[in-house]
Amino acid sequence: DQQVKQNSPSLSVQEGRISILNCDYTNSMFDYFLWYKKYPAEGPTFLISISSIKDKNEDGRFTVFLNKSAKHLSLHIVPSQPGDSAVYFCAASDGNNAGNMLTFGGGTRLMVKP
Amino acid sequence: GAVVSQHPSRVICKSGTSVKIECRSLDFQATTMFWYRQFPKQSLMLMATSNEGSKATYEQGVEKDKFLINHASLTLSTLTVTSAHPEDSSFYICSARAPADYYTDTQYFGPGTRLTVL
Repeated sequence: DQQVKQNSPSLSVQEGRISILNCDYTNSMFDYFLWYKKYPAEGPTFLISISSIKDKNEDGRFTVFLNKSAKHLSLHIVPSQPGDSAVYFCAASDGNNAGNMLTFGGGTRLMVKP
Repeated sequence: GAVVSQHPSRVICKSGTSVKIECRSLDFQATTMFWYRQFPKQSLMLMATSNEGSKATYEQGVEKDKFLINHASLTLSTLTVTSAHPEDSSFYICSARAPADYYTDTQYFGPGTRLTVL
């Protein structure tokens, strides 16, 4: 079964509002989480990450929240911009470095309307 | 549901040999499969897109004669790294997309294959 799930395949948000993308995982060994952004016909590009020792990491308009007890993480984008329209994948690994294999969720397509 | 497997998970080979990596969608039919290579700092590079029954579409800079892709059925795609060299050592990750997920571009990723070329 999937160890990382993104239950919303798509999300539509008005420009300037907050976008919240959710991700759930089942493997308690995961200790490093990443969000990727993917435009059509391109590979996912790294956006932001969080280690399990933290519950929040912020980078500009992007903030990732981690709730370990609920095995849930979310990506907040505020304010949302039309250029943020893309597919967002969350991923997890059980090692806190880039060399470990990643387990991906299925992705959420975000559409930001002007 | 929506599980994608890759085989093998790890492979070590000698320089000059060929390695085949399999990507299977276990419980759904994937008309489209994607092959990625994972680079340091977490970036994923799209290598090629394969559609069942047709030739793969390779991204610019990816040698199609070196990275042979076959998408023979709706549940299986293979990537063969021919005449592998140490610089080909990397993680290779596949993903699969069902026809119904075309609009959202929902993809289900395999666990990856770590290739080490000695």
